[in-house]
Formats: sequence, C-alpha cells, structure tokens
Amino acid sequence: QQPVQSPQAVILREGEDAVINCSSSKALYSVHWYRQKHGEAPVFLMILLKGGEQKGHEKISASFNEKKQQSSLYLTASQLSYSGTYFCEDSGPFGAGSYQLTFGKGTKLSVIP
Amino acid sequence: ETGVTQTPRHLVMGMTNKKSLKCEQHLGHNAMYWYKQSAKKPLELMFVYSLEERVENNSVPSRFSPECPNSSHLFLHLHTLQPEDSALYLCASSQDQTISSYEQYFGPGTRLTVT
Repeated sequence: QQPVQSPQAVILREGEDAVINCSSSKALYSVHWYRQKHGEAPVFLMILLKGGEQKGHEKISASFNEKKQQSSLYLTASQLSYSGTYFCEDSGPFGAGSYQLTFGKGTKLSVIP
Repeated sequence: ETGVTQTPRHLVMGMTNKKSLKCEQHLGHNAMYWYKQSAKKPLELMFVYSLEERVENNSVPSRFSPECPNSSHLFLHLHTLQPEDSALYLCASSQDQTISSYEQYFGPGTRLTVT
C-alpha cells in the first residue's frame, strides 16, 4: 500500500516555509524524498533511515517518526527553484522477497514571486 | 556521458510491435530499477536488479520482460502492449544491493505511446 502525502498541493511566495508530510501503513525501514520538475526525472533530496541516520542535501531537512510511521520534509525560505512535485518513497525491511518500495502520489509545490 | 541515460526518449508503437528500452548507468552502481509513471498515478516499481540478478518483480505482466546483461545496462523488452501501458518509463540506479539505504539516481525516461 502506498504512503499518503499531504497536502496534495501548496502555493508559496518566495521566502515562505512549507512542510510536506508522508504517512505509511507499513513498518518502515527508510523513507526517501525526491523532487520532480515537469518533464524531468525525479531528483534525490533526502533519505531517512530507521535508527536516525539521515543523508541528503544541506538545505533540506526532514524528520522520521518510526513509531508513527511518518516523515515530514521541511522547506524553509523557499526559492522559485523549489517548485515541483515532491514524492516520498517508503520501504520496509527486506522480507518475503520484496523491499516493498512504494511512492506516494506526490505534493505539487508552486513558489511564486 | 555521466549519470543515467535512457534511449529512446520517445517511442510510439503498435500493439503488435516488439521494441526494447535501454538504460545505461555510468555511476558504478550495483542496483538498477524500472519504474512506470502514468498520469495521475504514483510511480510504480516494476523490477529491481542487484548485481545483475532480479530481486524484485512487482506483479508486472509478462508482456514486459527485463534483462540485465551487466551492472551498467538494463533493458525492458516490450511485446503485444496495450494502450494502457502508455506512460513514462523511468530507469534508476543505486549504489548497493541494500536498496533501501541508498538514494536512487533516475534517468530522463522514455515516453511510450501504444497505439
């Protein structure tokens, strides 16, 4: 089952902040965040691993609550270049021959001047 | 070339045709993936290869047949497709077979239209 993202869409003015949430229905091993601009491939932003390890870009921050099976992506002081669709991808621990990698439907972020 | 490349970028095929999509990664990664991205639907993982062995097949119809001859190349062979198979097909790679721990690098995709 795919993770649920919220909000589905958000419009920001330059300099404003936003939070995108990702809720999973399975026990999580990791959460990945990607951004996709129209007509382009998804680009990696952040990985959050069970146990607290994080890997990602310095200007992006995120949280991972293993108990609640949730992750949030924090975008601060937004720039026009932040516009795009943000996806979370969750995975459970490898078992039964599957990593259970599933993407959310995405959150469309538009930053306007 | 650098990163992940895919060819062709656009493909139109009839339902009786046979075609192949090609993906090549220049990152020295060990895992490669095929995803399908349809309009208004989430990215769907189709296949995962790690060290040239298929480790995941997400109930994909047999009209899609993957091939991974080495860790740098991944193919998706297509035959007798349906119009609902029209979508953007994305290839990705990641560093290691502990797939969940590493970020994926995506290619630009092949826009497939089945007529």
